Amino acid sequence: DVKVTQSSRYLVKRTGEKVFLECVQDMDHENMFWYRQDPGLGLRLIYFSYDVKMKEKGDIPEGYSVSREKKERFSLILESASTNQTSMYLCASSLLGPNKAFFGQGTRLTVV
Amino acid sequence: AQSVTQLDSQVPVFEEAPVELRCNYSSSVSVYLFWYVQYPNQGLQLLLKYLSGSTLVESINGFEAEFNKSQTSFHLRKPSVHISDTAEYFCAVGLQGAQKLVFGQGTRLTINP
Repeated sequence: DVKVTQSSRYLVKRTGEKVFLECVQDMDHENMFWYRQDPGLGLRLIYFSYDVKMKEKGDIPEGYSVSREKKERFSLILESASTNQTSMYLCASSLLGPNKAFFGQGTRLTVV
Repeated sequence: AQSVTQLDSQVPVFEEAPVELRCNYSSSVSVYLFWYVQYPNQGLQLLLKYLSGSTLVESINGFEAEFNKSQTSFHLRKPSVHISDTAEYFCAVGLQGAQKLVFGQGTRLTINP
């Protein structure tokens, strides 16, 4: 069974902390994505990557960075967490082209 | 840039009633269209997709969606809903030649007995 695994389901961090959200896929997919999901706003794309060490900004990259050193792993980094980054974070992966995206279970991050 | 609008944030219906969840998109180039479903406390799953060919696409659990190019719409329908269809539904657009998906705001479908 195909799988996208996010390292934590729930996370509580303090304002100003550096936060790492990890995502691993076992499907040899080229594309990986980070979205945040907020009520009434749907899913908004933060960053995506179509190859190792390649990354592109999505619609809301401010305050975030990403790392893709290996094909199966895509990390989202909050350099200095703020309360407005409290959200559900979803990782996804897909093959190149118009293929279906597979999603992880999500990480609910609370910044206090 | 492309965008997706889901016109209803919440849709309550009675069990066995028909339902339509609306989705409109804007794009200046050809698109691919998707509907994803998120059941409570779960991740998103693909429900159905339109890439090319027949404008009517169906899922295995009775949902269907029709691509209407002139109205730039991709509405999701089911003739008779079940309690198990309670979920949030997301419409998404991908551009030809691009890799990213843009999602709508989501529609929460609530089925009342």
